[in-house]
Amino acid sequence: EVQLVESGGGLVQPGRSLRLSCTASGFNFGDYAMTWVRQAPGKGLEWVAYIRSKPYGATTEYAASVKGRFTVSRDDSKSIAYLQMNSLKTEDTAVYFCAGDSGSLDYWGQGTLVTVSS
Amino acid sequence: SYELTQPPSVSVSPGQTASITCSGYKLGDKFVAWYQQRPGQSPVLVIYQDSKRPSGIPERFSGSNSGNTAALTVSGTQAVDEADYYCQAWDSSHVVFGGGTKLTVL
Repeated sequence: EVQLVESGGGLVQPGRSLRLSCTASGFNFGDYAMTWVRQAPGKGLEWVAYIRSKPYGATTEYAASVKGRFTVSRDDSKSIAYLQMNSLKTEDTAVYFCAGDSGSLDYWGQGTLVTVSS
Repeated sequence: SYELTQPPSVSVSPGQTASITCSGYKLGDKFVAWYQQRPGQSPVLVIYQDSKRPSGIPERFSGSNSGNTAALTVSGTQAVDEADYYCQAWDSSHVVFGGGTKLTVL
């Protein structure tokens, strides 16, 4: 059974940092790009970032809204993807999902809530 | 930046056919995926590469893509299909989502 489990969310003050983890099982993690998508309360899906698989250089792409503040990485030996979020803003408040990406977002986690507030 | 436009809402009677559109410049030149998100749940892939159904997705879900418009069609709509639906495409190595369409089964 495919599982993606996000963790690391919580309440954080503006300007602070948070690191999210996405632990995968049930599929060949190394074959997939890993994508982060967020959803603000009552809003639609917003792409955040992704990291390609190692055969494609594990290169990364970011949405303009987070570029320079967020960093995505992966540890294939542990089947974990990370999202390091720095200089957080109130508008970063959302549920953050990770997804296994083969060109479409095949597998999704349950999401972790990040609340940025003073 | 590239934009995908969806109608905010679509209503359908049980057993009828619902069509949700997704518009974007030369969208037919790109692959489109569709995701279903029921309230309080994570999104689920229902269509990829314009018209392919993942394992476990009912045959009543189908997709098309041509010109500037992609469409998700739900035939014989059931109450369980009531959800938000999002189209998604790639542009310049970036993932783009449509704004979402709420499908209401009346």
